[in-house]
Amino acid sequence: KQEVTQIPAALSVPEGENLVLNCSFTDSAIYNLQWFRQDPGKGLTSLLLIQSSQREQTSGRLNASLDKSSGRSTLYIAASQPGDSATYLCAVDNNNDMRFGAGTRLTVKP
Amino acid sequence: GAGVSQTPSNKVTEKGKYVELRCDPISGHTALYWYRQSLGQGPEFLIYFQGTGAADDSGLPNDRFFAVRPEGSVSTLKIQRTERGDSAVYLCASSLTTGRGETQYFGPGTRLLVL
Repeated sequence: KQEVTQIPAALSVPEGENLVLNCSFTDSAIYNLQWFRQDPGKGLTSLLLIQSSQREQTSGRLNASLDKSSGRSTLYIAASQPGDSATYLCAVDNNNDMRFGAGTRLTVKP
Repeated sequence: GAGVSQTPSNKVTEKGKYVELRCDPISGHTALYWYRQSLGQGPEFLIYFQGTGAADDSGLPNDRFFAVRPEGSVSTLKIQRTERGDSAVYLCASSLTTGRGETQYFGPGTRLLVL
C-alpha cells in the first residue's frame, strides 16, 4: 500500500525567504504526483502536476521536482509572501487511486 | 465556468441518523471522486465514478457508506447509521476523464459532525 509522508508538518518563516517542502512515497510505480494548496475551510487547489516521466514543473515562484526512483518530491517556494500561508499537500496517483500526505502547514510572517 | 459545488457546506446530525451529501461536478467532467479528510490529515480516497458506474469503491470504509451517480453528473454520498467517527470533511473532485495526468478539481467540501 502506498504511503505518503510530508516533512515538516508545520513551518513558519519570515516574508521573503525561500523554502522547501518535502514529500516521500513508498511505491515508485506512480502515474503522477501533484502538489495542492488548501486554505482553512476550503477545498484543494492544484498547484503543480508532474508526470511520472518528468523531473520537474515550474509555475511562477513554485518549482516542484520528482525523483521517482528514490520516492521523493520537493516543492520549492521562492520569495515567500504572507499570502502563501496555507497547508500544502502532496498526492501520488497510482491508477486513479490518489494517496495524500498529511500536509505541511506553512505560515509566512509579514 | 462554475467549479465543483457541494451541498450542504455543513451538516450536524445525531448518531444513528442517515445523511446524504451532494456533489455537482464541473459540467462535462466524466470522472467524479469522493474523499474524506479528518482533522490534521490528508484526504483519504473513498470511491470514484467513470460516468454512471463506480469504477473503484475500495476506499469505502464499510457497508454503511454508499454513493450513486445515476445520470453521470451529480453524485450523492449516503451514510447510514452515522457514527461519531464519521465526523470529517467530505470532499468531492471531478476531472475531464480518468486518463493519466488529468487534474482533479476539488469542491469546498461538506463538514459533517456526528454528535
